[in-house]
Amino acid sequence: RKEVEQDPGPFNVPEGATVAFNCTYSNSASQSFFWYRQDCRKEPKLLMSVYSSGNEDGRFTAQLNRASQYISLLIRDSKLSDSATYLCATSNTGKLIFGQGTTLQVKP
Amino acid sequence: DAGVIQSPRHEVTEMGQEVTLRCKPISGHDYLFWYRQTMMRGLELLIYFNNNVPIDDSGMPEDRFSAKMPNASFSTLKIQPSEPRDSAVYFCASSHDTELAGGPETQYFGPGTRLLVL
Repeated sequence: RKEVEQDPGPFNVPEGATVAFNCTYSNSASQSFFWYRQDCRKEPKLLMSVYSSGNEDGRFTAQLNRASQYISLLIRDSKLSDSATYLCATSNTGKLIFGQGTTLQVKP
Repeated sequence: DAGVIQSPRHEVTEMGQEVTLRCKPISGHDYLFWYRQTMMRGLELLIYFNNNVPIDDSGMPEDRFSAKMPNASFSTLKIQPSEPRDSAVYFCASSHDTELAGGPETQYFGPGTRLLVL
């Protein structure tokens, strides 16, 4: 079993839709959590850190559920430019463990 | 500011050849990470350095892989001899261990080297 698991998708949604991704992790000692975004044939870029209390950045909301060991990413009012692969990552000792990524396709 | 620089961007080589990938981290960053990404295995950490010292190389697949960081502005990942299963995108990333910078997990990735071993 992978340490960090994500549904690979793809998630195909129309513009303006709300879409949510979940990511589960198996290491209960994980201390930090992140969402990275990766465009096709590009490098991953940090989208947002995930805090215990949850956090929001514009149309993006990240949540952490330590009891159930999952993190989530909610995207409201999807834009065509949101089409990408979203990678969740956990950290315990300073190094990141990434999930396989969830692909989002936003259609006009 | 320049981001993480990797070279070459693309490499095609034949099985058995030596491959050397290069990385220049962002100036002032004290962590450097080497990752490999494939469709099958996703993004995997191979090795990381802190202040030029290798901290964790548990992700290095086998003895054919080696990495060095002779100074704060340069690192190499070498594969010798290369095999077709080494074909992947290799990313270098760097980060800075301060609260203001978001800690070592706030990593900035280079554009990657696409390696194809025939």
